[in-house]
Amino acid sequence: AQSVTQLDSHVSVSEGTPVLLRCNYSSSYSPSLFWYVQHPNKGLQLLLKYTSAATLVKGINGFEAEFKKSETSFHLTKPSAHMSDAAEYFCVVPRGNQGGKLIFGQGTELSVKP
Amino acid sequence: GAGVSQTPSNKVTEKGKYVELRCDPISGHTALYWYRQSLGQGPEFLIYFQGTGAADDSGLPNDRFFAVRPEGSVSTLKIQRTERGDSAVYLCASSQVPGLGNIQYFGAGTRLSVL
Repeated sequence: AQSVTQLDSHVSVSEGTPVLLRCNYSSSYSPSLFWYVQHPNKGLQLLLKYTSAATLVKGINGFEAEFKKSETSFHLTKPSAHMSDAAEYFCVVPRGNQGGKLIFGQGTELSVKP
Repeated sequence: GAGVSQTPSNKVTEKGKYVELRCDPISGHTALYWYRQSLGQGPEFLIYFQGTGAADDSGLPNDRFFAVRPEGSVSTLKIQRTERGDSAVYLCASSQVPGLGNIQYFGAGTRLSVL
């Protein structure tokens, strides 16, 4: 069965410093993986997705993530945080290999200090 | 509209009442999903539709919850005899077709409060 674990419930960074949000996955086969972002009172928005092509995936707003099979990780990074990046971030894996339901991690709240 | 629309945005009801939550997906999207997000948690899958039929309803917590999509577009999530534990944000998403790599686009959700 597929699952994801987000290792930090809350991350705080200063504006202009790097962001690292950690995610480990568990899957019996090479999965697809996504990162979604949720701003307050707004819908979940896809940041990026990995579907077994390039292991380094670039997303919107300067975010990227690297799929590392040896470490079963899919950490989200950004070189320089902006105030507008403050939000909840979810690591997500589809259940099974036929799509449909998504399995979400517990979420990481990112705070950005001026 | 351009995105997934959910109404109402907020719903307050009393324990034991019946509620309906509506989702209007992106035009042309054949797959529609419902999730529930409790405070401080990630969304949890409830049900998904391919066209008019429920392809997977394994996430519905009990028989008080029911969802329909009669014409393959708008969907309604129905909750009977609401309980305080049903309080959560109910999210709807749609995608062009179900399947790996097909992006699910989410609405802003309906915040349900059961008093």
